[in-house]
Amino acid sequence: DTAVSQTPKYLVTQMGNDKSIKCEQNLGHDTMYWYKQDSKKFLKIMFSYNNKELIINETVPNRFSPKSPDKAHLNLHINSLELGDSAVYFCASSPTTTGLAKNIQYFGAGTRLSVL
Amino acid sequence: RKEVEQDPGPFNVPEGATVAFNCTYSNSASQSFFWYRQDCRKEPKLLMSVYSSGNEDGRFTAQLNRASQYISLLIRDSKLSDSATYLCVVEPNTGGFKTIFGAGTRLFVKA
Repeated sequence: DTAVSQTPKYLVTQMGNDKSIKCEQNLGHDTMYWYKQDSKKFLKIMFSYNNKELIINETVPNRFSPKSPDKAHLNLHINSLELGDSAVYFCASSPTTTGLAKNIQYFGAGTRLSVL
Repeated sequence: RKEVEQDPGPFNVPEGATVAFNCTYSNSASQSFFWYRQDCRKEPKLLMSVYSSGNEDGRFTAQLNRASQYISLLIRDSKLSDSATYLCVVEPNTGGFKTIFGAGTRLFVKA
């Protein structure tokens, strides 16, 4: 009964390949996020969707394309992988309510991507 | 100036010690503040929200100083299990759902 689940947990691939990471949440939240955590452990937001609508799109190469088929799922597709894409990618979700609770985020366990 | 800044540490403290971390933020209109904890090779998890009047949760106390634009986390009676990275998180009030994570402060509690 994991709240936010990501697959795969580990991903090792060659430069130039295309890969996808999937994320699902069963918390009934309206908002989902993708973060990248690099080797320096800095957690940086990439995208956010609210009710399947893109609301945050940070400066991310257009090789990265998020897709939200419904509000419980947010997938991340990466084309033409590069060495610099190696990182841990975290999916998160948060409720859409007023007050402080709306920004409390629940994270998946992360996907460790290694590009060789 | 970075939007959210933290001393990366590491802080090495003995069990039972009291330790405090500060975090500064650049946007004076920021509304919401949080401390998250991240264990090694794990995902971040909410430790506590930070309220204007300050708040306490067991051994953990969070404070907000709007005039100086910083938040703090105090841990009393440190336990070995408190060893982790503590992430400061700020909502800059630019509308929407964006939150900014600090780079984290590493804490090691030793026996």
